Amino acid sequence: DGGITQSPKYLFRKEGQNVTLSCEQNLNHDAMYWYRQDPGQGLRLIYYSQIVNDFQKGDIAEGYSVSREKKESFPLTVTSAQKNPTAFYLCASTYGGYGYTFGSGTRLTVV
Amino acid sequence: KQEVTQIPAALSVPEGENLVLNCSFTDSAIYNLQWFRQDPGKGLTSLLLIQSSQREQTSGRLNASLDKSSGRSTLYIAASQPGDSATYLCAANTGANSKLTFGKGITLSVRP
Repeated sequence: DGGITQSPKYLFRKEGQNVTLSCEQNLNHDAMYWYRQDPGQGLRLIYYSQIVNDFQKGDIAEGYSVSREKKESFPLTVTSAQKNPTAFYLCASTYGGYGYTFGSGTRLTVV
Repeated sequence: KQEVTQIPAALSVPEGENLVLNCSFTDSAIYNLQWFRQDPGKGLTSLLLIQSSQREQTSGRLNASLDKSSGRSTLYIAASQPGDSATYLCAANTGANSKLTFGKGITLSVRP
């Protein structure tokens, strides 16, 4: 079945550590997105990519980095510069904007 | 800048009731609008997608409408069931491969 796979489901980060969240899709979608979800805040866009080797900052990109070397993959790195990284992270993709598909999410906790 | 609002933030109804969830958006130049369901700790599941040229979409007990001129969309749930308890989010899309703008969601509780 086609879909989006996010891994890991749970991730723990120590202070000063960089961590990478994986997002893979087999839907042949061109565009991919990373959202952050906090209680009471709704979903906020971190980064998005409309084609391979190109990406744009969203509303809250500071402290995050991405790459898009393959159409299927859009990993998100949470750097030590992100001071409040504890949140639920969601990856999404679309083809032409005709409906968006989301992964099951990664819950990141700072320990 | 597109803004999406969903009010109220939470809703509790008895089983069997028909209910309407509201979504309003500020920029009527949308490409489409999508309704999602989110269960606690889970990702988003797409319920209905309405293109800008459409007025409504139906899937089973769900019906979503779109009125671009007034900046509103509604999700109608018929004969609600406890299994419908979840958070419902609407998201406006301003263009092909563009970003979605989300409302904060409505947390629905259907009491047996």
